[in-house]
Amino acid sequence: QVQLQESGPGLVKPSQTLSLTCTVSGGSIRSDSYYWSWIRQSAGKGLEWIGRIYTHGGTNYNPSLKSRVTISLDTSKNQFSLKLRSVTAADTAVYYCARDSLGFSYDSWGQGTPVTVSS
Amino acid sequence: SYELTQPPSVSVSPGQTASITCSGDRLGDKYACWYQQKPGQSPVLVIYQNRKRPSGIPDRFSGSNSGNTATLTISGTQAMDEADYYCQAWDSNTEVFGTGTKVTVL
Repeated sequence: QVQLQESGPGLVKPSQTLSLTCTVSGGSIRSDSYYWSWIRQSAGKGLEWIGRIYTHGGTNYNPSLKSRVTISLDTSKNQFSLKLRSVTAADTAVYYCARDSLGFSYDSWGQGTPVTVSS
Repeated sequence: SYELTQPPSVSVSPGQTASITCSGDRLGDKYACWYQQKPGQSPVLVIYQNRKRPSGIPDRFSGSNSGNTATLTISGTQAMDEADYYCQAWDSNTEVFGTGTKVTVL
């Protein structure tokens, strides 16, 4: 049973870069043709898709965030990462990493990590 | 950009059937899936590819998708089904989530 765990700073200053890592255990990040994604949820709000990376390369991003987002894989560490540049208070949210192994749906999620953007 | 619209809330009595709709332009031409999210927890996939249930999801959860509307049906609703539910679909290289529906079991 694969498990995902987010990690990174819980507080980021405005205009800086938010950097999070998702560590995958119970399976290799490159063993199958999966999509690895980041999703966020602001307090009391709905889910917002940030983007995804394919096991064998290739990325897709939310058009509203595309200019500020980079998602990458580190197969040597069995991790994938999120970088969100030039953050503002509007980027304050719980950030989830997730895996799509069934096709167009996320069957495994991390527990989520809260990130606050504040000076 | 593509949008998926859900009713903000649905109320249901224990043992009865709850239906949650998700509306989007030509949604029936896409795969829809559904998540259950309880307070303080990560979302859990309950329906994928319109009507399939992941392992471990009770068969009281079912789904359909046609025209502009996908529907999640909970038959014989139990108190433990009280949660927020989100639909999701893929459009133009983007995953889109619905606005979310709070299901209250009265």
